[in-house]
Amino acid sequence: ETGVTQTPRHLVMGMTNKKSLKCEQHLGHNAMYWYKQSAKKPLELMFVYNFKEQTENNSVPSRFSPECPNSSHLFLHLHTLQPEDSALYLCASSQERGGRTGELFFGEGSRLTVL
Amino acid sequence: AQSVTQLGSHVSVSEGALVLLRCNYSSSVPPYLFWYVQYPNQGLQLLLKYTTGATLVKGINGFEAEFKKSETSFHLTKPSAHMSDAAEYFCAVSDGWGYSSASKIIFGSGTRLSIRP
Repeated sequence: ETGVTQTPRHLVMGMTNKKSLKCEQHLGHNAMYWYKQSAKKPLELMFVYNFKEQTENNSVPSRFSPECPNSSHLFLHLHTLQPEDSALYLCASSQERGGRTGELFFGEGSRLTVL
Repeated sequence: AQSVTQLGSHVSVSEGALVLLRCNYSSSVPPYLFWYVQYPNQGLQLLLKYTTGATLVKGINGFEAEFKKSETSFHLTKPSAHMSDAAEYFCAVSDGWGYSSASKIIFGSGTRLSIRP
């Protein structure tokens, strides 16, 4: 069982669909993240959760809605997406110690295609 | 605010040759520095990291990096490239402090490493 598991690995959806991405970490970490990775662009941090509380939202459009029911699970709810939202969505977790960010552990990503 | 610059979006070396991937950073406080590798259709995997102490850091797969404060650099090297090293490499910096510091890892744009037979 890998440390950070993302499902589904691939998702194709229409612009009017509603779908969700799921992330689960088995590492006992206290912080979880969503990143967006588009072709020829740096990784974009989308959301940060620390002890289940959202601590950062990097001006992400409201068509992306995160949910963190506990420190092991993170969801990204998707609705009325645009074709430019097609990307690899990466979940990561880390253990914060003394207020300093530890290394990130990534899942394998969910490849999203919006038609 | 911190930032990371990776020089060269694509580097190509021959198998057995030296690999050098360049990373420069800016940070207002002593940084934590990371190198990650990403193979096709996979997530990022930590290669190595610098926090404090010895400035020459050894990582997995024979890679190492040296923290040079005076040059604000953290270049990644490997003495002899292998075909399996072909991947995307990302340098990252963290200087966040405080309860909400979980967001403070900033990634470079990445360098794609190709290995010629």
